[in-house]
Amino acid sequence: DTAVSQTPKYLVTQMGNDKSIKCEQNLGHDTMYWYKQDSKKFLKIMFSYNNKELIINETVPNRFSPKSPDKAHLNLHINSLELGDSAVYFCASSQGINEQFFGPGTRLTVL
Amino acid sequence: EDQVTQSPEALRLQEGESSSLNCSYTVSGLRGLFWYRQDPGKGPEFLFTLYSAGEEKEKERLKATLTKKESFLHITAPKPEDSATYLCAVHNNNDMRFGAGTRLTVKP
Repeated sequence: DTAVSQTPKYLVTQMGNDKSIKCEQNLGHDTMYWYKQDSKKFLKIMFSYNNKELIINETVPNRFSPKSPDKAHLNLHINSLELGDSAVYFCASSQGINEQFFGPGTRLTVL
Repeated sequence: EDQVTQSPEALRLQEGESSSLNCSYTVSGLRGLFWYRQDPGKGPEFLFTLYSAGEEKEKERLKATLTKKESFLHITAPKPEDSATYLCAVHNNNDMRFGAGTRLTVKP
């Protein structure tokens, strides 16, 4: 009965490829997020969606694009993958600005 | 620029040895300060939310406090299962900013 789920858990790919990570939450929350956690374990917000509107867009490359088909899903598409994109990506959800619930993470390795 | 700084980076305690973790912040219009726990290979797990200076919250061996410039996470008589990375985050309007975390190790 997972609250926030992500797929896949591991993703290994070559430079230049395009990949997607899926996220789903069953908490009925109105806001979803994507975070990147680098090798130093620093967690940085990339995007958030509230009621299908992008409300935060940090200075991430435009190769990254969030797509939200509905309130329960926020997928992350990455084009032309680079070595520096290797990291753990976390999806999270919240109701307004209340506490966030995180998914288990997707470890992306770009070779 | 808004900043969140956690100290120490790493902390090693003996079981039963109480201590405190610090989170100092400079943000305009704080709307909430959050503490999370992260175990290796997992996503952060919510612990506490603090909204205003003077507020305190407790859960088992953990107690979080907030002033206008910093928050403390006090750990009383820790156990080995308290070993984890503890993350502090501040919410300022639509921006959520995390600190780098404190890696806590509790030895039996």
